[in-house]
Amino acid sequence: DAGVTQSPTHLIKTRGQQVTLRCSPKSGHDTVSWYQQALGQGPQFIFQYYEEEERQRGNFPDRFSGHQFPNYSSELNVNALLLGDSALYLCASSLVSQGMSAFFGQGTRLTVV
Amino acid sequence: AQSVTQPDIHITVSEGASLELRCNYSYGATPYLFWYVQSPGQGLQLLLKYFSGDTLVQGIKGFEAEFKRSQSSFNLRKPSVHWSDAAEYFCAVESSGNTGKLIFGQGTTLQVKP
Repeated sequence: DAGVTQSPTHLIKTRGQQVTLRCSPKSGHDTVSWYQQALGQGPQFIFQYYEEEERQRGNFPDRFSGHQFPNYSSELNVNALLLGDSALYLCASSLVSQGMSAFFGQGTRLTVV
Repeated sequence: AQSVTQPDIHITVSEGASLELRCNYSYGATPYLFWYVQSPGQGLQLLLKYFSGDTLVQGIKGFEAEFKRSQSSFNLRKPSVHWSDAAEYFCAVESSGNTGKLIFGQGTTLQVKP
């Protein structure tokens, strides 16, 4: 079992650019959540996808958007990047029918310069 | 609003000593509570979780945590710390019952002295 896999591992972008991060959930999981973890902070919930729809959203601007595909994988898109978007982006997957113990990926380290 | 407080930003213990990391939560109903560990540059690994029932829960790597409703606490303990336990520890609460939206504390960095 490969667990939750995220790509890329690291990324450097320029202010104003757009970025797409990808996540493949743990085998058998149907729900994907995205978190932003700034340096020295706990992760903050961005949004969650289930059955290809956004089910919940945290306090993040519309520049942050996502998608879930029929195979349950997911993308996180961030438009008009700001320096403050630099962070570790974590993807977590879970199975809605078995409670919400989330398994996290290794994360994508995004640096905006 | 739900929140999680980890009062200790940084803790140093000697290898072989006991450990207790504190976590306090603010939540109106019965919370779902979690402890995660994060090694440098890594994702989060679930140590243990509390949903209901026995208030003392056992986790992986010899960790346990006790849910105390009267104190709104969910402290993590380990009887004897190993050097490999050095990491960042996060307490989290599920925001509204089985939704998967986790609210995390700021984290506690554990340093282990030889």
